Amino acid sequence: GAGVSQTPSNKVTEKGKYVELRCDPISGHTALYWYRQSLGQGPEFLIYFQGTGAADDSGLPNDRFFAVRPEGSVSTLKIQRTERGDSAVYLCASSLGMGLAGNEQFFGPGTRLTVL
Amino acid sequence: AQSVSQHNHHVILSEAASLELGCNYSYGGTVNLFWYVQYPGQHLQLLLKYFSGDPLVKGIKGFEAEFIKSKFSFNLRKPSVQWSDTAEYFCAVKGGYQKVTFGTGTKLQVIP
Repeated sequence: GAGVSQTPSNKVTEKGKYVELRCDPISGHTALYWYRQSLGQGPEFLIYFQGTGAADDSGLPNDRFFAVRPEGSVSTLKIQRTERGDSAVYLCASSLGMGLAGNEQFFGPGTRLTVL
Repeated sequence: AQSVSQHNHHVILSEAASLELGCNYSYGGTVNLFWYVQYPGQHLQLLLKYFSGDPLVKGIKGFEAEFIKSKFSFNLRKPSVQWSDTAEYFCAVKGGYQKVTFGTGTKLQVIP
């Protein structure tokens, strides 16, 4: 597609439930990033994939959060036993992942997660 | 570890006024610097970036930023703002192979 897409655009869930958030990167982009943006804050890094592997998952807040990218394209962010503090906009970005041009990240519209 | 500080959280300007948004970063080595913009109801998009070379970087819509290494700064400027520049602006830094770190953002409101 022309840009990064994310589904769903909005997700409301109850505390303790499991959620999956999906990201479709720009075709050909090898690098994929997940961020979380809380109200009044900038995007906070969660995890970065280069191809199928997680190159840096240091931003995942705890073991309830997990992300996969099995075929090196689409990625899914999975949150188990959701808590009210997980409520935020989850952003996905992709980049070419190579050289200087690879540093430019293109962002998707985000998924707004609300945990009741 | 790298960090980014944006000094102004909320800026209100009249149309045609000049704009300067402050951004300071902390990182000891070579950095890549970015300004992203988020218009109301839209997703983050890149305004401009610095990788190397000329420290004065020009971006879209008349924006520019100057990388001053000695001050660890990358301030965003525009000589004359328009109502359509109303948005939230984020400074970001990437040091070496580290992840991109964003500042907390500056909300700009331009009054017609």
